Amino acid sequence: GNSVTQMEGPVTLSEEAFLTINCTYTATGYPSLFWYVQYPGEGLQLLLKATKADDKGSNKGFEATYRKETTSFHLEKGSVQVSDSAVYFCALSAYSGAGSYQLTFGKGTKLSVIP
Amino acid sequence: GAGVSQTPSNKVTEKGKYVELRCDPISGHTALYWYRQSLGQGPEFLIYFQGTGAADDSGLPNDRFFAVRPEGSVSTLKIQRTERGDSAVYLCASTLGPGGELFFGEGSRLTVL
Repeated sequence: GNSVTQMEGPVTLSEEAFLTINCTYTATGYPSLFWYVQYPGEGLQLLLKATKADDKGSNKGFEATYRKETTSFHLEKGSVQVSDSAVYFCALSAYSGAGSYQLTFGKGTKLSVIP
Repeated sequence: GAGVSQTPSNKVTEKGKYVELRCDPISGHTALYWYRQSLGQGPEFLIYFQGTGAADDSGLPNDRFFAVRPEGSVSTLKIQRTERGDSAVYLCASTLGPGGELFFGEGSRLTVL
């Protein structure tokens, strides 16, 4: 079956530090890949996505590149801010039959950015 | 409202009781998903509706869980004979159609004592 493995947290960084959160996946077929973010007290929000190999998703200074050869989709940001403190989830979407595209999530990585 | 609305936001119940959780999706979204998120885990798929029908219920853990969407809009997740292990945040998401971006509600936190 499909699965997503992401770096375990929590991760604590100082403001303006470089961020990498590793994510690898196992899937049949050609999944789409996503990063979702959950800010404190809020619902899950789509951060960025990539739908095919070598695509780069980007948003709010975050980037991730779909690497089929390494089955990875690592999240990076060059300079984090306190406002980036949240839980980040890597996910894949694959067709599961019966017209259903299921999102399979990793366990989440909690990021805390300190001033 | 503009987003996915879930009620109640918090529900505390006793073991063995019946619970209903409601999801009001974004207007016009034909596809609706339920997920369950346990503490320290990522969301896990429960069930998917396309219109009024449950197209994929393979994630429902057992027959105590059931969901309906009678008019193709609002959905209700029903849990019978609740157990302590059912304690989790239940998330609802909607999308325009299969493969589209999912928009999540804030979730209903269920605590079974």
